[in-house]
Amino acid sequence: DAGVIQSPRHEVTEMGQEVTLRCKPISGHNSLFWYRQTMMRGLELLIYFNNNVPIDDSGMPEDRFSAKMPNASFSTLKIQPSEPRDSAVYFCASSLLAGGVETQYFGPGTRLLVL
Amino acid sequence: DAKTTQPPSMDCAEGRAANLPCNHSTISGNEYVYWYRQIHSQGPQYIIHGLKNNETNEMASLIITEDRKSSTLILPHATLRDTAVYYCIVRVDWGYGQNFVFGPGTRLSVLP
Repeated sequence: DAGVIQSPRHEVTEMGQEVTLRCKPISGHNSLFWYRQTMMRGLELLIYFNNNVPIDDSGMPEDRFSAKMPNASFSTLKIQPSEPRDSAVYFCASSLLAGGVETQYFGPGTRLLVL
Repeated sequence: DAKTTQPPSMDCAEGRAANLPCNHSTISGNEYVYWYRQIHSQGPQYIIHGLKNNETNEMASLIITEDRKSSTLILPHATLRDTAVYYCIVRVDWGYGQNFVFGPGTRLSVLP
Protein backbone atom coordinates (compact mmCIF):
# COMPACT_ATOMS: atom_id res chain seq x y z
CA ASP A 1 0.00 0.00 0.00
CA ALA A 2 1.24 3.50 -0.79
CA GLY A 3 0.11 4.86 2.54
CA VAL A 4 -1.89 8.05 3.00
CA ILE A 5 -1.45 10.32 0.01
CA GLN A 6 -1.74 14.08 0.24
CA SER A 7 -1.62 16.73 -2.44
CA PRO A 8 -0.22 19.18 -3.05
CA ARG A 9 2.89 18.74 -0.92
CA HIS A 10 3.56 22.48 -0.98
CA GLU A 11 1.23 25.37 -1.61
CA VAL A 12 2.00 29.07 -1.73
CA THR A 13 -0.92 31.42 -2.19
CA GLU A 14 -1.95 34.98 -1.59
CA MET A 15 -4.30 36.14 1.11
CA GLY A 16 -7.92 35.90 0.03
CA GLN A 17 -7.41 33.03 -2.37
CA GLU A 18 -9.16 29.68 -2.05
CA VAL A 19 -7.00 26.73 -1.06
CA THR A 20 -7.99 23.07 -1.46
CA LEU A 21 -6.00 20.30 0.17
CA ARG A 22 -6.57 16.70 -0.86
CA CYS A 23 -6.18 13.36 0.87
CA LYS A 24 -6.45 9.75 -0.19
CA PRO A 25 -6.63 7.44 2.85
CA ILE A 26 -5.27 3.92 3.02
CA SER A 27 -7.62 1.53 1.29
CA GLY A 28 -9.92 -0.22 3.73
CA HIS A 29 -9.52 2.34 6.51
CA ASN A 30 -12.82 3.70 7.78
CA SER A 31 -11.74 6.80 9.69
CA LEU A 32 -10.04 9.91 8.35
CA PHE A 33 -8.56 12.82 10.27
CA TRP A 34 -7.33 16.30 9.34
CA TYR A 35 -4.68 17.89 11.60
CA ARG A 36 -2.86 21.21 11.50
CA GLN A 37 0.63 21.76 12.90
CA THR A 38 2.27 25.08 13.75
CA MET A 39 5.20 26.00 15.93
CA MET A 40 2.95 27.92 18.30
CA ARG A 41 0.09 25.45 18.70
CA GLY A 42 1.69 22.10 17.88
CA LEU A 43 -0.37 19.37 16.29
CA GLU A 44 -4.12 19.93 16.61
CA LEU A 45 -7.09 18.01 15.27
CA LEU A 46 -9.38 19.93 12.92
CA ILE A 47 -12.01 17.34 11.99
CA TYR A 48 -12.48 13.63 11.65
CA PHE A 49 -14.75 11.38 9.64
CA ASN A 50 -15.97 7.86 10.29
CA ASN A 51 -17.40 5.93 7.34
CA ASN A 52 -17.38 9.21 5.36
CA VAL A 53 -19.53 11.00 7.95
CA PRO A 54 -18.10 13.98 9.88
CA ILE A 55 -18.07 13.03 13.56
CA ASP A 56 -16.32 15.92 15.28
CA ASP A 57 -15.52 19.25 13.64
CA SER A 58 -15.05 21.20 16.85
CA GLY A 59 -11.43 21.84 15.96
CA MET A 60 -12.23 23.66 12.73
CA PRO A 61 -11.07 27.24 13.39
CA GLU A 62 -13.89 29.11 11.73
CA ASP A 63 -16.32 29.13 8.84
CA ARG A 64 -13.55 29.75 6.37
CA PHE A 65 -12.59 26.10 6.82
CA SER A 66 -14.66 23.26 5.40
CA ALA A 67 -14.01 19.57 4.85
CA LYS A 68 -15.73 16.92 2.79
CA MET A 69 -15.42 13.21 2.29
CA PRO A 70 -17.57 12.29 -0.72
CA ASN A 71 -16.40 8.66 -0.71
CA ALA A 72 -14.16 6.28 1.20
CA SER A 73 -11.10 7.06 -0.89
CA PHE A 74 -11.04 10.84 -1.00
CA SER A 75 -11.30 13.88 1.25
CA THR A 76 -10.75 17.60 0.85
CA LEU A 77 -10.02 20.44 3.24
CA LYS A 78 -10.87 23.84 1.84
CA ILE A 79 -9.94 27.28 3.13
CA GLN A 80 -11.83 30.20 1.63
CA PRO A 81 -10.70 32.93 1.88
CA SER A 82 -7.21 32.09 3.10
CA GLU A 83 -5.32 34.30 5.57
CA PRO A 84 -1.62 34.47 6.53
CA ARG A 85 -2.39 32.91 9.93
CA ASP A 86 -3.54 29.76 8.12
CA SER A 87 0.08 29.08 7.17
CA ALA A 88 0.91 25.67 8.64
CA VAL A 89 1.52 22.04 7.79
CA TYR A 90 -1.74 20.17 7.29
CA PHE A 91 -1.72 16.43 7.89
CA CYS A 92 -4.27 13.85 6.90
CA ALA A 93 -4.41 10.53 8.74
CA SER A 94 -6.50 7.39 8.36
CA SER A 95 -7.15 4.50 10.69
CA LEU A 96 -8.71 1.08 10.94
CA LEU A 97 -10.13 -0.54 14.01
CA ALA A 98 -8.47 -3.94 14.46
CA GLY A 99 -8.61 -6.19 17.48
CA GLY A 100 -10.21 -3.45 19.54
CA VAL A 101 -7.29 -1.09 18.98
CA GLU A 102 -6.97 1.73 16.49
CA THR A 103 -3.76 3.06 14.97
CA GLN A 104 -3.57 6.21 12.91
CA TYR A 105 -1.35 6.44 9.85
CA PHE A 106 -0.33 9.91 8.77
CA GLY A 107 0.37 11.30 5.34
CA PRO A 108 3.43 13.39 4.50
CA GLY A 109 1.56 16.66 4.97
CA THR A 110 0.86 19.76 2.89
CA ARG A 111 2.96 22.81 3.68
CA LEU A 112 0.80 25.87 3.17
CA LEU A 113 2.13 29.40 3.03
CA VAL A 114 -0.34 32.24 2.71
CA LEU A 115 1.29 35.54 1.82
CA ASP B 1 -8.61 11.52 27.91
CA ALA B 2 -5.91 11.64 30.55
CA LYS B 3 -3.14 14.21 30.36
CA THR B 4 0.49 13.16 29.85
CA THR B 5 3.73 14.79 30.96
CA GLN B 6 7.01 14.28 29.14
CA PRO B 7 10.43 15.93 29.44
CA PRO B 8 10.87 18.50 26.66
CA SER B 9 14.17 17.12 25.44
CA MET B 10 16.69 14.30 25.89
CA ASP B 11 20.01 13.28 24.42
CA CYS B 12 21.22 9.76 23.76
CA ALA B 13 24.50 8.40 22.41
CA GLU B 14 24.29 6.44 19.20
CA GLY B 15 24.14 2.71 19.84
CA ARG B 16 22.93 3.11 23.42
CA ALA B 17 19.43 2.55 24.68
CA ALA B 18 17.13 5.54 24.72
CA ASN B 19 14.64 5.53 27.60
CA LEU B 20 11.84 8.05 27.19
CA PRO B 21 9.59 8.53 30.23
CA CYS B 22 5.95 9.55 30.33
CA ASN B 23 3.75 10.33 33.30
CA HIS B 24 0.02 9.75 33.06
CA SER B 25 -1.09 9.73 36.68
CA THR B 26 -4.78 10.31 35.87
CA ILE B 27 -5.05 7.43 33.44
CA SER B 28 -8.23 5.41 33.75
CA GLY B 29 -8.65 1.68 33.48
CA ASN B 30 -9.80 1.64 29.87
CA GLU B 31 -7.21 4.03 28.46
CA TYR B 32 -4.38 2.75 26.32
CA VAL B 33 -0.89 4.25 26.16
CA TYR B 34 0.28 5.03 22.63
CA TRP B 35 3.63 6.27 21.39
CA TYR B 36 4.17 8.09 18.14
CA ARG B 37 7.18 9.91 16.80
CA GLN B 38 7.67 12.67 14.28
CA ILE B 39 10.88 12.93 12.35
CA HIS B 40 11.58 16.40 11.03
CA SER B 41 9.24 17.45 8.22
CA GLN B 42 7.37 14.14 8.21
CA GLY B 43 3.99 13.04 9.50
CA PRO B 44 3.77 11.34 12.91
CA GLN B 45 4.58 7.64 12.87
CA TYR B 46 3.05 4.98 15.09
CA ILE B 47 5.56 3.15 17.31
CA ILE B 48 3.79 1.00 19.88
CA HIS B 49 0.85 0.88 22.28
CA GLY B 50 -0.16 -1.00 25.43
CA LEU B 51 -2.80 -1.27 28.11
CA LYS B 52 -1.33 -3.07 31.13
CA ASN B 53 1.38 -5.44 30.04
CA ASN B 54 4.79 -4.57 28.68
CA GLU B 55 4.94 -4.69 24.91
CA THR B 56 7.71 -5.14 22.37
CA ASN B 57 7.82 -4.87 18.61
CA GLU B 58 10.48 -4.41 15.96
CA MET B 59 10.82 -0.72 16.75
CA ALA B 60 10.71 -0.45 20.52
CA SER B 61 9.63 -1.75 23.91
CA LEU B 62 6.99 -0.22 26.14
CA ILE B 63 7.23 -0.64 29.88
CA ILE B 64 4.11 0.29 31.86
CA THR B 65 4.28 0.48 35.65
CA GLU B 66 1.99 -1.75 37.65
CA ASP B 67 -0.17 1.19 38.77
CA ARG B 68 -0.20 2.41 35.13
CA LYS B 69 0.62 5.94 36.18
CA SER B 70 3.76 6.08 34.11
CA SER B 71 5.46 4.34 31.22
CA THR B 72 8.81 4.24 29.44
CA LEU B 73 9.49 3.85 25.76
CA ILE B 74 12.77 2.07 25.11
CA LEU B 75 14.69 2.23 21.85
CA PRO B 76 17.25 -0.53 22.50
CA HIS B 77 19.99 0.64 20.14
CA ALA B 78 19.38 4.23 19.11
CA THR B 79 20.61 5.39 15.72
CA LEU B 80 20.91 8.87 14.26
CA ARG B 81 17.68 8.22 12.36
CA ASP B 82 15.84 7.93 15.68
CA THR B 83 16.30 11.67 16.24
CA ALA B 84 12.70 12.91 16.41
CA VAL B 85 9.95 14.26 18.65
CA TYR B 86 8.32 11.43 20.60
CA TYR B 87 4.71 11.75 21.71
CA CYS B 88 3.10 9.79 24.53
CA ILE B 89 -0.69 9.72 24.28
CA VAL B 90 -3.35 8.08 26.39
CA ARG B 91 -6.81 7.57 25.02
CA VAL B 92 -9.85 5.40 25.33
CA ASP B 93 -10.43 3.06 22.45
CA TRP B 94 -14.12 3.38 21.85
CA GLY B 95 -13.73 1.68 18.52
CA TYR B 96 -15.39 4.53 16.71
CA GLY B 97 -12.58 6.59 15.34
CA GLN B 98 -11.30 8.83 18.08
CA ASN B 99 -8.76 11.56 17.85
CA PHE B 100 -5.34 11.57 19.44
CA VAL B 101 -4.40 14.61 21.54
CA PHE B 102 -0.76 15.37 20.84
CA GLY B 103 1.14 17.28 23.50
CA PRO B 104 4.54 18.92 22.96
CA GLY B 105 6.35 15.56 23.27
CA THR B 106 10.03 14.87 23.96
CA ARG B 107 12.63 15.96 21.44
CA LEU B 108 15.20 13.14 21.34
CA SER B 109 18.59 13.92 19.90
CA VAL B 110 20.77 10.90 19.12
CA LEU B 111 24.38 12.02 19.15
CA PRO B 112 27.22 10.37 17.21
